[in-house]
Amino acid sequence: GAVVSQHPSRVICKSGTSVKIECRSLDFQATTMFWYRQFPKQSLMLMATSNEGSKATYEQGVEKDKFLINHASLTLSTLTVTSAHPEDSSFYICSVPYLMGSNEQFFGPGTRLTVL
Amino acid sequence: GIQVEQSPPDLILQEGANSTLRCNFSDSVNNLQWFHQNPWGQLINLFYIPSGTKQNGRLSATTVATERYSLLYISSSQTTDSGVYFCAASGGFGNEKLTFGTGTRLTIIP
Repeated sequence: GAVVSQHPSRVICKSGTSVKIECRSLDFQATTMFWYRQFPKQSLMLMATSNEGSKATYEQGVEKDKFLINHASLTLSTLTVTSAHPEDSSFYICSVPYLMGSNEQFFGPGTRLTVL
Repeated sequence: GIQVEQSPPDLILQEGANSTLRCNFSDSVNNLQWFHQNPWGQLINLFYIPSGTKQNGRLSATTVATERYSLLYISSSQTTDSGVYFCAASGGFGNEKLTFGTGTRLTIIP
């Protein structure tokens, strides 16, 4: 299966600051990556699809100006939470579809964001 | 879009017991996956199973695509099996986004 990394694993920041989260596909190239958010005791909700070479597509209700996504290369996507507020505190997880014969998705270890 | 429901929401079992977790989905699927979320939040891939039956050690899964459900079986439960189990599905080929169920929280008591 695919190996996906995320950095940082945990971040605490002050309200109003911006935070960048990296998602890397370590062993194969990915033209698409997905970003999910998980609040405590809840399921994962898709936020956006990161597309290499084109703009990200956002799910309904997700503010594209607040959650900036850049698919910088075939192995790297970044999510920047701009002007973070306490309600943005959550667990952010990326996934990569492994397209070698199936569309099974593999997930990064997640980034826990706490906004004070 | 596709809807995914899981049952039961919570399950508490004695160590050594067997368990069955269910996932219902609202439309035909081309991707169905089962995950175990560990205490640190990492999603562990258990099965990629849009149809058919697979087994991996004490775990097995069956998806009956025509009846739109999937089952995850855990035999001889161990305390390390505790955690949240998610199923997720998508209805298209290629880079299709997954819709997650609400999860089943499994607690294994020693």
